[in-house]
Amino acid sequence: GAVVSQHPSWVICKSGTSVKIECRSLDFQATTMFWYRQFPKQSLMLMATSNEGSKATYEQGVEKDKFLINHASLTLSTLTVTSAHPEDSSFYICSAPSQGGTDTQYFGPGTRLTVL
Amino acid sequence: QKEVEQNSGPLSVPEGAIASLNCTYSDRGSQSFFWYRQYSGKSPELIMFIYSNGDKEDGRFTAQLNKASQYVSLLIRDSQPSDSATYLCAVNYRGGNKLTFGTGTQLKVEL
Repeated sequence: GAVVSQHPSWVICKSGTSVKIECRSLDFQATTMFWYRQFPKQSLMLMATSNEGSKATYEQGVEKDKFLINHASLTLSTLTVTSAHPEDSSFYICSAPSQGGTDTQYFGPGTRLTVL
Repeated sequence: QKEVEQNSGPLSVPEGAIASLNCTYSDRGSQSFFWYRQYSGKSPELIMFIYSNGDKEDGRFTAQLNKASQYVSLLIRDSQPSDSATYLCAVNYRGGNKLTFGTGTQLKVEL
């Protein structure tokens, strides 16, 4: 299947700082990528849809000014958590749809964010 | 509110048995159905997808879809300890690639 990478795999930061997470499609182009957040023992919650060359589409309740998404190329989407606070500590996962005519999504390995 | 529901478990089965995982969804317009496996601390990995009513088999895994009853299930034959994980059901509503996930069922395969 398609390969999606994320960087960093984990990050610890101080409250009030900003953190950037990268999501790359390694062997295919992705005009759309998705960003999810997962709190412990909960399911994945879609945060936003990242669209190459245009603005991201945010799900209801997700602050677009806090979670900045940039999809500047067909292989890279970034999520920046601005002014992070302890309640933003979570597992952030990106995904990209397959190119094979199915609706499947391939997930990156995730980024564990801990805000102190 | 589009919903995908799963029993959170844990579901415990002995090694070699069949594990049966169930999922129900609320929107009859749903088109695609997916099962993902997620190990603790890892991201989900795709096991199977199914679009049409009936059964779809892939190795030890069989997905079953019943659109009239709005449920999809996953059977794991000859369960192994390595199958111990959380299994997430996901549904695609009317295309567009957006997935809605259930809360997952934790499976424990015991020696």
